[in-house]
Amino acid sequence: SQTIHQWPATLVQPVGSPLSLECTVEGTSNPNLYWYRQAAGRGLQLLFYSVGIGQISSEVPQNLSASRPQDRQFILSSKKLLLSDSGFYLCAWRPRQGNNSPLHFGNGTRLTVT
Amino acid sequence: GDSVTQMEGPVTLSEEAFLTINCTYTATGYPSLFWYVQYPGEGLQLLLKATKADDKGSNKGFEATYRKETTSFHLEKGSVQVSDSAVYFCALTLWSGGGADGLTFGKGTHLIIQP
Repeated sequence: SQTIHQWPATLVQPVGSPLSLECTVEGTSNPNLYWYRQAAGRGLQLLFYSVGIGQISSEVPQNLSASRPQDRQFILSSKKLLLSDSGFYLCAWRPRQGNNSPLHFGNGTRLTVT
Repeated sequence: GDSVTQMEGPVTLSEEAFLTINCTYTATGYPSLFWYVQYPGEGLQLLLKATKADDKGSNKGFEATYRKETTSFHLEKGSVQVSDSAVYFCALTLWSGGGADGLTFGKGTHLIIQP
């Protein structure tokens, strides 16, 4: 069966520090991968998605970036964090050939920028 | 563009009460529809889905019927429990066969069940 892992679960970082969140998927090949952010009391915002290694699409311009160095690995990064980057970050995947299939989410990373 | 509208709450009910969380959508084609549940501090879990008109998704006592004529996908449960307290998201997706097509989510409904 397929599983998705995100880490770390929680992170407290000072303003201006770098960020690296990692997500890996097991049990499937060529998945579409997604990064969402959930700000406190708000809905889900799609940040990035990827349909293959090295292929990243950004939905919202900001100081975050994403990379996909391997088929089942998706990384969210920042060179310098802002206070507004605080939130709950969720990685998700779905099959490449999924016909209206749902997204499957990881457990999320709670990021607090101080 | 595509959109999902749901009541934001919080919705507070007593245990064993009947639950309805409304969800309506706007889409250019024929979407698949989903309900996700998010327990405190966790990611989103797929609760149920429906892929075509008149389909009924069900899971854990929750049900939702895909109503094309009213563009709705309301979530219902006959008797809620304290453990159902969570945030519920309605979502849709339209598969275009090649793009990434992430889901479009509603803003979430915070449900609180009191004993």
